[in-house]
Amino acid sequence: EPEVTQTPSHQVTQMGQEVILRCVPISNHLYFYWYRQILGQKVEFLVSFYNNEISEKSEIFDDQFSVERPDGSNFTLKIRSTKLEDSAMYFCASSESRGLQNEKLFFGSGTQLSVL
Amino acid sequence: KQEVTQIPAALSVPEGENLVLNCSFTDSAIYNLQWFRQDPGKGLTSLLLIQSSQREQTSGRLNASLDKSSGRSTLYIAASQPGDSATYLCAVRRRTSYDKVIFGPGTSLSVIP
Repeated sequence: EPEVTQTPSHQVTQMGQEVILRCVPISNHLYFYWYRQILGQKVEFLVSFYNNEISEKSEIFDDQFSVERPDGSNFTLKIRSTKLEDSAMYFCASSESRGLQNEKLFFGSGTQLSVL
Repeated sequence: KQEVTQIPAALSVPEGENLVLNCSFTDSAIYNLQWFRQDPGKGLTSLLLIQSSQREQTSGRLNASLDKSSGRSTLYIAASQPGDSATYLCAVRRRTSYDKVIFGPGTSLSVIP
């Protein structure tokens, strides 16, 4: 079964450093998302992306965050200057379509980001 | 504002028992509701999706129901097995702010052999 692939599975970085989290969505999917889960808290939406543009973003997704689809297969989340509170599990997700009631989100296995 | 809650927060049952997990949401204007399974330190695996026009969905030993008017969904697991031990999350997609799926906090399930 096709799956969303995320790399790396774990990332440790120093506060203030830039990190790039990478995702390969399912190949025929057109809509891409990033979610995150801080330890012990709910999974929360960060951003959605379609046709090389951000469709929607949450209040968490400030100027320190950016997303990109650099080629036909990868989807990246960049954090420019990491803070301690950015430590979380980051999930990439994709969906084939948008606007259908039966549209499912498919998630990757996540990247655990630890900011020291 | 859509709030999603799940009860109980944790559940421990002996193997073979049938069990029900509950999910509540405050705004009934939903597009669909999806149940996920999360294993420790792992990603989210989709279990079932119920469209807003549907009342229930079944997959194997799992049955999910939806009552939009009361803002509730249940996930029924029949004949539980130790391999069912995981955290179960419900997630609601709203008609407004469509992309921002709202997750509940999850129910942590332990099935004791």
